[in-house]
Amino acid sequence: LAKITQPISMDSYEGQEVNITCSHNNIATNDYITWYQQFPSQGPRFIIQGYKTKVTNEVASLFIPADRKSSTLSLPRVSLSDTAVYYCLVPRRAGTALIFGKGTTLSVSS
Amino acid sequence: DSGVTQTPKHLITATGQRVTLRCSPRSGDLSVYWYQQSLDQGLQFLIQYYNGEERAKGNILERFSAQQFPDLHSELNLSSLELGDSALYFCASSQDRANTEAFFGQGTRLTVV
Repeated sequence: LAKITQPISMDSYEGQEVNITCSHNNIATNDYITWYQQFPSQGPRFIIQGYKTKVTNEVASLFIPADRKSSTLSLPRVSLSDTAVYYCLVPRRAGTALIFGKGTTLSVSS
Repeated sequence: DSGVTQTPKHLITATGQRVTLRCSPRSGDLSVYWYQQSLDQGLQFLIQYYNGEERAKGNILERFSAQQFPDLHSELNLSSLELGDSALYFCASSQDRANTEAFFGQGTRLTVV
C-alpha cells in the first residue's frame, strides 16, 4: 500500500478556497488517488478520484502532478457544511478493502 | 442515500451480551466490508466478504464474526461484549471492478453499558 501523509487538521473561513495536499511517495503505476469525505456520525462518502493531471466534478477538483507522488484536493468557496474529515486513499486493486488513515479534519468558520 | 442499508441504527446492550448487526448492500454489489469507528481509533477495517466468501480480514477480534448470505446481505456478530466495543459500525459495498467507489451505510451505533 502507498504510504499516505496528509495534514491532521486545517481551518478555513466561509467563501475561501481550501487545498488539502496528500503525499503518496510510493504510489504504484496502476494506482488511482481517491478522496472521501466524512461528516460526524455518518459513513464516508466518495468525493473524487483521479490518475493524473486534473479532475473536476461538481464538488471538488483534484490536481495530480506528473510524478504522481502527491495530490491536492481543492474545495472552492467552502461553506460551514464542508466541515468534515477528508481522507486521501490509494486503493491497491479492485475489490480490496479501503484502508483509512486519520484524514484531515477541516473546520470552516463564519 | 447511498443504497446501503444498516439495521439497527442504534443498539444499547450490556457487557457480556451478543448482538447482530445487519447490512444490505447496494443492488448488484458483490463485496461487503465492515468497519469499526471509535473516537480514539479512527475508521478500522474489520472484514470483507465477496459473493458469500471471506476475502480479507483486518483488525477483527476473535469475539467478532461475520457472514454474507446468498442474497448478499451480511451480518456482523459481536459477542462477549465489552465497554470498549462501543463504537459506530459501518458497512460498505462495492462492485469488484477497478477504481469503483465504495458506498457506506449510515452505520449502527453500538453502546455497551
